[in-house]
Amino acid sequence: IAGITQAPTSQILAAGRRMTLRCTQDMRHNAMYWYRQDLGLGLRLIHYSNTAGTTGKGEVPDGYSVSRANTDDFPLTLASAVPSQTSVYFCASSDSGGANIQYFGAGTRLSVL
Amino acid sequence: GQNIDQPTEMTATEGAIVQINCTYQTSGFNGLFWYQQHAGEAPTFLSYNVLDGLEEKGRFSSFLSRSKGYSYLLLKELQMKDSASYLCAVRDSNYQLIWGAGTKLIIKP
Repeated sequence: IAGITQAPTSQILAAGRRMTLRCTQDMRHNAMYWYRQDLGLGLRLIHYSNTAGTTGKGEVPDGYSVSRANTDDFPLTLASAVPSQTSVYFCASSDSGGANIQYFGAGTRLSVL
Repeated sequence: GQNIDQPTEMTATEGAIVQINCTYQTSGFNGLFWYQQHAGEAPTFLSYNVLDGLEEKGRFSSFLSRSKGYSYLLLKELQMKDSASYLCAVRDSNYQLIWGAGTKLIIKP
């Protein structure tokens, strides 16, 4: 079934540890995105990539890095996790058609202690 | 700054009609989206408006007025499975989506 796969589904992480959240899509979408979702707030864009080989910073990029070596994969890395990075992380991708609708993965629930 | 406003929570009765409003102030406008998100799940696309007017899709309709910075999502013949959060998002001049905090819709029998 085509779609976006995120891993892990959930994770508890000690502060200061390094963590990579994985995201893979098989829809051949050019654009991919990482969001975080916190209670009472809208989805906030962390980083995005309009095409393989390029990345850009979103609204809340500090403490996070991404890479886009190929079309399918867009991993998000927390170099040294802090408790304020406790959140639900969603990866999304969008097609190149007129509406550029974004399609979301199931999310990763991350707790940093 | 950019801002998307929608009510935090609404309650409606099964079989009834509910309207969820969204007002926005953004740097530029390149379309407005509505997504549905069930608790613990991913957002899923419902509708897209880029021109003024009403877009109908089955039991769901979405309306846009660009001059008023206003949209609404209309849900008819409510079913229990419609209990979810509904997210409004606007694509700004940088072609990024700005998201509202979502409206939690509670359906009562």
